[in-house]
Amino acid sequence: NAGVTQTPKFQVLKTGQSMTLQCAQDMNHEYMSWYRQDPGMGLRLIHYSVGAGITDQGEVPNGYNVSRSTTEDFPLRLLSAAPSQTSVYFCASSFGQYPYNEQFFGPGTRLTVL
Amino acid sequence: AQKVTQAQTEISVVEKEDVTLDCVYETRDTTYYLFWYKQPPSGELVFLIRRNSFDEQNEISGRYSWNFQKSTSSFNFTITASQVVDSAVYFCALSEAEGAQKLVFGQGTRLTINP
Repeated sequence: NAGVTQTPKFQVLKTGQSMTLQCAQDMNHEYMSWYRQDPGMGLRLIHYSVGAGITDQGEVPNGYNVSRSTTEDFPLRLLSAAPSQTSVYFCASSFGQYPYNEQFFGPGTRLTVL
Repeated sequence: AQKVTQAQTEISVVEKEDVTLDCVYETRDTTYYLFWYKQPPSGELVFLIRRNSFDEQNEISGRYSWNFQKSTSSFNFTITASQVVDSAVYFCALSEAEGAQKLVFGQGTRLTINP
């Protein structure tokens, strides 16, 4: 199993550009989430999904869109990049139900917006 | 609202010392889950432990131990006989029972083990 994979590993954007961060998992997990990690703030939830076709907002959803057309994939779209979106982005997945509710994280995407 | 506080931003100890990382949480839920994750310098997030709010047993795994106390809303993590490989950022996190995919993280504690 590859687990949770994310592409790209690094990305530099100019303000106003759009892009999609890719996330895929091969563990047949129903739950998938996107987090951003900023210095001194831990990780904060952007969007999450409890299954194909179902998504919802987390703590910091502004400026981001998601969709979940398949169980495996959960892409995160930046509509118009801003310097405040410079961060490390992590995708995660889990079965969701105790005792298998720990989240497995991808390796992260480091995004810089100039 | 749920909140996790890791008051120790950075800790530095000499190898073989014991070290405790503090985690204090706030929630109005009666059923919730607590987690610890490790983030080594390579950047990935590694799951260490999960604790159900109804299970207050402490847990030991090798040099690692966890002390869960509902009375003080704390879930502290102790490393015994620390090693250089334990150097990492450690995160405590909380999720409610119905939103297991929605983790609330603490700010993290950067632990440096010096040889």
